[in-house]
Amino acid sequence: GAGVSQSPSNKVTEKGKDVELRCDPISGHTALYWYRQRLGQGLEFLIYFQGNSAPDKSGLPSDRFSAERTGESVSTLTIQRTQQEDSAVYLCASTPLGVGLIYNEQFFGPGTRLTVL
Amino acid sequence: GDSVTQMEGPVTLSEEAFLTINCTYTATGYPSLFWYVQYPGEGLQLLLKATKADDKGSNKGFEATYRKETTSFHLEKGSVQVSDSAVYFCALQGAQKLVFGQGTRLTINP
Repeated sequence: GAGVSQSPSNKVTEKGKDVELRCDPISGHTALYWYRQRLGQGLEFLIYFQGNSAPDKSGLPSDRFSAERTGESVSTLTIQRTQQEDSAVYLCASTPLGVGLIYNEQFFGPGTRLTVL
Repeated sequence: GDSVTQMEGPVTLSEEAFLTINCTYTATGYPSLFWYVQYPGEGLQLLLKATKADDKGSNKGFEATYRKETTSFHLEKGSVQVSDSAVYFCALQGAQKLVFGQGTRLTINP
């Protein structure tokens, strides 16, 4: 597609439920990133994929969070047993460039706004 | 670890005023530096970048110079417009991931 897409755009769930957030990167982009943006704050890195492997998961806040990616395409971020502090906008970004290069411009999707009641 | 510190907002200016949003960073090595902008209701967009010391990034009248000696990348614009109202994020490219500042909300009044 023309850009990074994410679905759903909005998700309201009850505390304790599981949610899945989807990201479709720009076709051909090898690297994919997930970030979280809490209200009034900057973006926090969650996880990074190179192809379908995740060399850096250091930002995942707890073992309730997991992510997977199929080849060099869609990625799913799963949050189990959601808590109110999980409420945030979850942003996905992709880049065409591989590991070890100086400059990787990241192209961002519109985000999924998650609200946990 | 790597970190980015931005001046706190919100910032409110009148149209045609001069804008500076301060950004300083802490990093090992020589990261690439970026300013991203998030307009109301839209996704994050790259505004400008600089990949090495003394580089000046520029776009849409905005400029920022990579200053290694002061570890800074301040965003400037000589004459702001109402359409510049947005949230601005300074970021550095760490090891394959972006590290963001907390964002500065800018409002320009006509």
